[in-house]
This record gives sequence, structure tokens and C-alpha cells, in this order.
Amino acid sequence: GAVVSQHPSRVICKSGTSVKIECRSLDFQATTMFWYRQFPKQSLMLMATSNEGSKATYEQGVEKDKFLINHASLTLSTLTVTSAHPEDSSFYICSAQASGRPSDTQYFGPGTRLTVL
Amino acid sequence: GNSVTQMEGPVTLSEEAFLTINCTYTATGYPSLFWYVQYPGEGLQLLLKATKADDKGSNKGFEATYRKETTSFHLEKGSVQVSDSAVYFCALGSGNTPLVFGKGTRLSVIA
Repeated sequence: GAVVSQHPSRVICKSGTSVKIECRSLDFQATTMFWYRQFPKQSLMLMATSNEGSKATYEQGVEKDKFLINHASLTLSTLTVTSAHPEDSSFYICSAQASGRPSDTQYFGPGTRLTVL
Repeated sequence: GNSVTQMEGPVTLSEEAFLTINCTYTATGYPSLFWYVQYPGEGLQLLLKATKADDKGSNKGFEATYRKETTSFHLEKGSVQVSDSAVYFCALGSGNTPLVFGKGTRLSVIA
């Protein structure tokens, strides 16, 4: 089946630093990737939709200058949390939509747990 | 807009008990419906799906039937195991819009 990887799986950083999270589709091409944030014991909150070769579409309330998304190829999207602060600590999950398939065909990565000290 | 409502947890059951997690939805058009499962510390895994009315999705002993008349997609399993302990998310997909998730239901199965 389709596999999506995320790297790193866990990251701990100091306040004020930037952290980059990679999301890769390993065996298929993904024109669209989605980034979600999940707080403890809560549901997934869609942050942005990332389309290969174009600017990401951010959901209302998500700061695009703080959460930089780059979808440079059909198999890779990155999320950079700039100047991270403790309130950015969360579980970040990406998903990839296989090219040519409807949006209900999404494959999820295993998630990245970010802890900002 | 589209939305999903699922029963709040946590749900605690003894091993071999019957499980039902309710899910209802509001949508325009003809959405696809999903159940995802999240084990502790992991991402989401697709458990089952149904793409049209009266379809039944099934996997690993779990099943759910797409009921258009009641706008529901309840998840059931006849006999749960400790290994089924996880958070279950009902979700809806329509056209090219992102998936819409319910708030999740935490299931704990005790031996």
C-alpha cells in the first residue's frame, strides 16, 4: 500500500529556534499534501493544504509566516516552524493525496512530536 | 459546511464486549465516509471506508454501514480485544476538499 514517512519522528528544541519537518510519499506521487496539528486528546486540526509547485493554502487562524510550507516535488513537502515557542509544542501529522485521485484517498504519515522548551 | 459528530469518550470496555461508536455527518452532495484509528504515539491509519449509501466497510472485525437516511456511519465490532485500545476518528471526504474529522473517541479495552 501507499506509504508516507515523516522525519523526524520526535524533536526537542529550544525556544526561538526553527524546526523543519519533512513529509515524503515513498511509493507514489502526491500533488497535494495536507498538514495537520493535533493537541493532546484532541482531533486533527487542518493547518494548510500544500500543492506541488505553488503556494500553500492556509486555514483561517494559521500564521503562514510562522508555519512555512514548501512542496518542492511530487514526493516531498516540508513544514518549517519558525522561531518556535512552547505553545507550538504539538503533534504534527501530514497526509498525501495520490495524484489523479480524489481527496478522499489520503495516506497519513506517522506524525512528528515537537517539544519546544 | 460539512461536519462530523461522533460520540464523546472515553469508552471503556471489557475484553470480548460489543463495541459501538456513533458517528453522524452533515454534508452536501455524496461524500465518502471513513473510520481512522490512531494508536498511542502514532499517526492515523485508515480502518475502513464506504463511498456510497448502503455500502458496508469492514476490516479487522470492525464494520460500519453508510446510512444516508440517518446520515450515520456507526462503527461496530462484535468482540473487542485489548489491542483495539486506541482513538477512533470518523471522517468525511467530498470532492476535492480536505477530509473533515470528528473529535475522536478514545477506546480502552481492559482484560
